[in-house]
Amino acid sequence: NAGVMQNPRHLVRRRGQEARLRCSPMKGHSHVYWYRQLPEEGLKFMVYLQKENIIDESGMPKERFSAEFPKEGPSILRIQQVVRGDSAAYFCASSPIHPNTEAFFGQGTRLTVV
Amino acid sequence: AQTVTQSQPEMSVQEAETVTLSCTYDTSESDYYLFWYKQPPSRQMILVIRQEAYKQQNATENRFSVNFQKAAKSFSLKISDSQLGDAAMYFCAYGQGGSEKLVFGKGTKLTVNP
Repeated sequence: NAGVMQNPRHLVRRRGQEARLRCSPMKGHSHVYWYRQLPEEGLKFMVYLQKENIIDESGMPKERFSAEFPKEGPSILRIQQVVRGDSAAYFCASSPIHPNTEAFFGQGTRLTVV
Repeated sequence: AQTVTQSQPEMSVQEAETVTLSCTYDTSESDYYLFWYKQPPSRQMILVIRQEAYKQQNATENRFSVNFQKAAKSFSLKISDSQLGDAAMYFCAYGQGGSEKLVFGKGTKLTVNP
């Protein structure tokens, strides 16, 4: 049973470009969460999705950030017109129910904006 | 809003010795969960141990155990017989019952000296 798969592991974008981060949850998991980790910081919740539904996006910046979890395929975190402050590690986690049972994390995508 | 505080940015321990990492949290809820995650240089977030607030018995997983003091809102992690492979960042996290978000502390960097 493969773990949570995130790709790419590393992503470099120039200011103003778009970044797309992908997350494939563990088999049988229908709940996906995205977190952002800034340097020297803990993880901060961004968004919680179930298939085709955004359940809680209270941690998402109001502009330029969006997330989806389609019926088929991975969950996508999309950042438009990236700025240097978006440079961070972005983690995806999945769970069969909700993270209070156990959330399994991917290895993260490190986004660097140059 | 719930907060998680890890007051030790860095800790070190000699191989085979015991070390305790501190974590305090703030909440007015009674139904919640607490976690310790390990993040080695690979960036993978690995669940070390989990504690349900309604359980009085402290959780234990092999060499890892917690001291859960609910009234004091304290949740420390004890690592016994420390091994070189224990060197990592350790994050304390809080999850409210019925909520999908995890709130993380800023982490403690653990160094294990041979």
